Amino acid sequence: AQTVTQSQPEMSVQEAETVTLSCTYDTSESNYYLFWYKQPPSRQMILVIRQEAYKQQNATENRFSVNFQKAAKSFSLKISDSQLGDTAMYFCAFMNPMSRDDKIIFGKGTRLHILP
Amino acid sequence: GAVVSQHPSRVICKSGTSVKIECRSLDFQATTMFWYRQFPKQSLMLMATSNEGSKATYEQGVEKDKFLINHASLTLSTLTVTSAHPEDSSFYICSARAGTGGSQHFGDGTRLSIL
Repeated sequence: AQTVTQSQPEMSVQEAETVTLSCTYDTSESNYYLFWYKQPPSRQMILVIRQEAYKQQNATENRFSVNFQKAAKSFSLKISDSQLGDTAMYFCAFMNPMSRDDKIIFGKGTRLHILP
Repeated sequence: GAVVSQHPSRVICKSGTSVKIECRSLDFQATTMFWYRQFPKQSLMLMATSNEGSKATYEQGVEKDKFLINHASLTLSTLTVTSAHPEDSSFYICSARAGTGGSQHFGDGTRLSIL
């Protein structure tokens, strides 16, 4: 069974700093998707970034980028020039598109506080 | 694009009441919809997966008679919490996906409070 582990329950950084959120996963599949979702206090689930496992290039989306290490099964999220609006819960997630139900498996989340 | 509307956003009702939550994909056809429950400060817990026109698949430990799911069309799925009790109070979120392997798009969630 696939698992997703986020080892940092909570983090705080100063505004404008760079912060990296860790995520590791376990799977025997070779093709899969990885995601980072953001959940601000409003509790909306917002897709931050998505990575296909077959792509070697790390996905980027403006200030957000990932470090995808397939062999190590690691998928960290880097937020550059952090802003107050980045304060949220961040969930790392895994999906096997070839499975019968291809449901998303979420990590337990990292609560990120951006301090003014 | 890929907007999912969930309604209502907030429900407060008495114990014993049945509550229906709707999840609509506004600009795409959702072959699969997912229903999650989220307790405070915890991750999302998948309750069930519903495919249009077929019975929902429930996760282990989720009572199918308590949480009725209907996915009658490609744009609408409903979750009915039957005879709700205070322990059913939670945040419920739906998501929808257009096809296999696609990203899930989430609704804004429903905060359910049973008095």
